[in-house]
Amino acid sequence: GQSLEQPSEVTAVEGAIVQINCTYQTSGFYGLSWYQQHDGGAPTFLSYNALDGLEETGRFSSFLSRSDSYGYLLLQELQMKDSASYFCAVRDDTNAGKSTFGDGTTLTVKP
Amino acid sequence: DAGVIQSPRHEVTEMGQEVTLRCKPISGHDYLFWYRQTMMRGLELLIYFNNNVPIDDSGMPEDRFSAKMPNASFSTLKIQPSEPRDSAVYFCASSLGQVDTEAFFGQGTRLTVV
Repeated sequence: GQSLEQPSEVTAVEGAIVQINCTYQTSGFYGLSWYQQHDGGAPTFLSYNALDGLEETGRFSSFLSRSDSYGYLLLQELQMKDSASYFCAVRDDTNAGKSTFGDGTTLTVKP
Repeated sequence: DAGVIQSPRHEVTEMGQEVTLRCKPISGHDYLFWYRQTMMRGLELLIYFNNNVPIDDSGMPEDRFSAKMPNASFSTLKIQPSEPRDSAVYFCASSLGQVDTEAFFGQGTRLTVV
């Protein structure tokens, strides 16, 4: 089986930097994805890490350490529109088309 | 492409009725996923298809749930009979590849069973 842990809530102010952590336990591992979901909306893809290291996409970066079974999403220059839920998701290599999602982290950005 | 299209967007039905949710994936995507999202259980994968063939249905809660993909451009998720605990948002998603490609989600169907 698989389990993922991420904080339930994070609060930050506009312009700040916030890091959302995700730790996982899996029987196999292929990669870690991050999705953003605004209230009432659909999850949208942010990033994917299969190898150790940092992936940068604009204001968002994602990091993976396979040896530590740990990853994080880094959001820089926070904007009000970044208030949303953020999910990490793991694909295992035993059933590679299948992703298991964490419970999500609700980010609130304050002025 | 218009993205993944789901219908209906909202469905309210009475307990015991049959409910059918529909999904049109992005053209050319060969993976299709059905997810259910609730406050209590989060985002759960129910079933996924590859090239119209069901690959893993271990997430389907019970026999009342069934899913089909008769062709590459259409899939259905059916609940018969429906129960109040089935109330949730049901998402369909599609992706181009197996592992290192992103999944594109539809806007979801909000199902309420009363």
